[in-house]
Amino acid sequence: SAVISQKPSRDICQRGTSLTIQCQVDSQVTMMFWYRQQPGQSLTLIATANQGSEATYESGFVIDKFPISRPNLTFSTLTVSNMSPEDSSIYLCSVDDIGEYNEQFFGPGTRLTVL
Amino acid sequence: DQQVKQNSPSLSVQEGRISILNCDYTNSMFDYFLWYKKYPAEGPTFLISISSIKDKNEDGRFTVFLNKSAKHLSLHIVPSQPGDSAVYFCAASQTGNQFYFGTGTSLTVIP
Repeated sequence: SAVISQKPSRDICQRGTSLTIQCQVDSQVTMMFWYRQQPGQSLTLIATANQGSEATYESGFVIDKFPISRPNLTFSTLTVSNMSPEDSSIYLCSVDDIGEYNEQFFGPGTRLTVL
Repeated sequence: DQQVKQNSPSLSVQEGRISILNCDYTNSMFDYFLWYKKYPAEGPTFLISISSIKDKNEDGRFTVFLNKSAKHLSLHIVPSQPGDSAVYFCAASQTGNQFYFGTGTSLTVIP
């Protein structure tokens, strides 16, 4: 199993600013994922954070808006840049277990409100 | 501490039979619950939800049951189809707060 922590747990930000969310895992994992859950909507994959290479972004998400770092196998950051109220959401990081059943572990999430 | 638990990491079911996926939670303040389905290499997709004012919600072949006293919910898929083979996550929240996710149950529907 994996234990995932995220910082901050919540934040209220002004339009036009940027926020960096940190994700820490208690074990080394190959793949880390960043998701967004906007109010009343489903969970949406933003990107896959790859260690040693650039993140892989899903359709509709770009590096300039959501830069991601993955400096090692236990840590990643997601930055939400030049924020607007539409970025208000819960952001979650997640990892895949390397075990037999491909379980997926989610962090507690970061609740972002942009004014 | 895992607030939402899916104790069965995998489940195999014959096509046409019922699939029952279980989820337990520890926080009695949770009042909104979701089930997601995830195919390999894709993000999770929302499947069905239930709020604590109900004990059952049905959408086609999918039914979610909530037992608040037992802090338990289950997802029933009837009849199961091979295309249902995926990983299923339950998630729980106290309205207005973050969601807590289970670790998923990998369902295999055997043709």
